Amino acid sequence: QKEVEQNSGPLSVPEGAIASLNCTYSDRVSQSFFWYRQYSGKSPELIMSIYSNGDKEDGRFTAQLNKASQYVSLLIRDSQPSDSATYLCAVNGGSGGSNYKLTFGKGTLLTVNP
Amino acid sequence: DTEVTQTPKHLVMGMTNKKSLKCEQHMGHRAMYWYKQKAKKPPELMFVYSYEKLSINESVPSRFSPECPNSSLLNLHLHALQPEDSALYLCASSQRDYRTYEQYFGPGTRLTVT
Repeated sequence: QKEVEQNSGPLSVPEGAIASLNCTYSDRVSQSFFWYRQYSGKSPELIMSIYSNGDKEDGRFTAQLNKASQYVSLLIRDSQPSDSATYLCAVNGGSGGSNYKLTFGKGTLLTVNP
Repeated sequence: DTEVTQTPKHLVMGMTNKKSLKCEQHMGHRAMYWYKQKAKKPPELMFVYSYEKLSINESVPSRFSPECPNSSLLNLHLHALQPEDSALYLCASSQRDYRTYEQYFGPGTRLTVT
């Protein structure tokens, strides 16, 4: 059974700080890793994808992947109150025969305080 | 353009009604998905269509019946639902890329079963 673990939070940071969100996964052969942002009452929005070890930067967001440690993280620099949302880590590929199936973590609720 | 549209936005139905949810994408994606999401939980996969053929059915009760009329459209037919089926129903689509499978979600249909 594939598992994706996230701290449920809530994670509270002051405006302008760096928010660090962490995720571990159990299936060692997983291939693709995603971060979704979900505002309350809205649908998930894909904000980052990462497939190779290392860092990937997009604006204020940096995703980090370490396949040896089965660990993926999301850093949000210069956090803004508009970043307050639930962040879902999702993993697909690997064993089990289906690359279509995303396994989601339970999500981390981030609150950015003005 | 990463837009997936869903109609209706909200739906209230009785347990004896028949209704349908609709989803449309014009990104040329060849995989489409239905998810169910309850409050404070991650999305749960229900069905996957690949090239208009049902690829995955996650043991969903037969009161939910998916249909993929063409590569851009996905329907979910609902019949004799239970109050516990009340949830946010999300449609998503992705390219049929062996490596990435980035999934883009629509805004969802908020379903209430009375």
